[in-house]
Amino acid sequence: QKEVEQDPGPLSVPEGAIVSLNCTYSNSAFQYFMWYRQYSRKGPELLMYTYSSGNKEDGRFTAQVDKSSKYISLFIRDSQPSDSATYLCAMSPYTGGFKTIFGAGTRLFVKA
Amino acid sequence: AAGVIQSPRHLIKEKRETATLKCYPIPRHDTVYWYQQGPGQDPQFLISFYEKMQSDKGSIPDRFSAQQFSDYHSELNMSSLELGDSALYFCASSPSDSLGEQFFGPGTRLTVL
Repeated sequence: QKEVEQDPGPLSVPEGAIVSLNCTYSNSAFQYFMWYRQYSRKGPELLMYTYSSGNKEDGRFTAQVDKSSKYISLFIRDSQPSDSATYLCAMSPYTGGFKTIFGAGTRLFVKA
Repeated sequence: AAGVIQSPRHLIKEKRETATLKCYPIPRHDTVYWYQQGPGQDPQFLISFYEKMQSDKGSIPDRFSAQQFSDYHSELNMSSLELGDSALYFCASSPSDSLGEQFFGPGTRLTVL
């Protein structure tokens, strides 16, 4: 079993829909939780990061971390065709080394 | 805003050759990470450096080595290349006081023939 599980999709939604992406994990030592967006053949783009539990909002994006359930979510409001990409969750324990584990990525298609 | 710079962007090598990838972090970022991403795969952590010292190691083959220099740029050296080393190699950087903020470069696409 992988340390970080993420449904690869694909997930197809109409423009304007609310998108919910999530990951589960098994390592209780994880403290940093990140969401990246990756377009084909491009580097991952950091969307959100959270330290420990809680919610964080930035524009149309909201990240939630529930450490008790080992479950993190990313919500995208008013989704746009330009949001079509692969969304990767990533997490890391708070250590001096900061080894980061990624989920498999969820492919999102937003239809106009 | 300045981003992470990687060079070269594309590299073609023969089996058993050597390759060197370079990474220039965002100014004032003192932590550098290397990742390998195969086709359709998620990025796999290879190694990280903080203040020119190796800080953590992941699934990096013994044929690979890396270092961070005094100007904080980093190089990933890959020897005895194998066909399976063909992948996108990403470098990311972050400030040490905000390790969650890893910013990725555009990547180097390595093709081993």
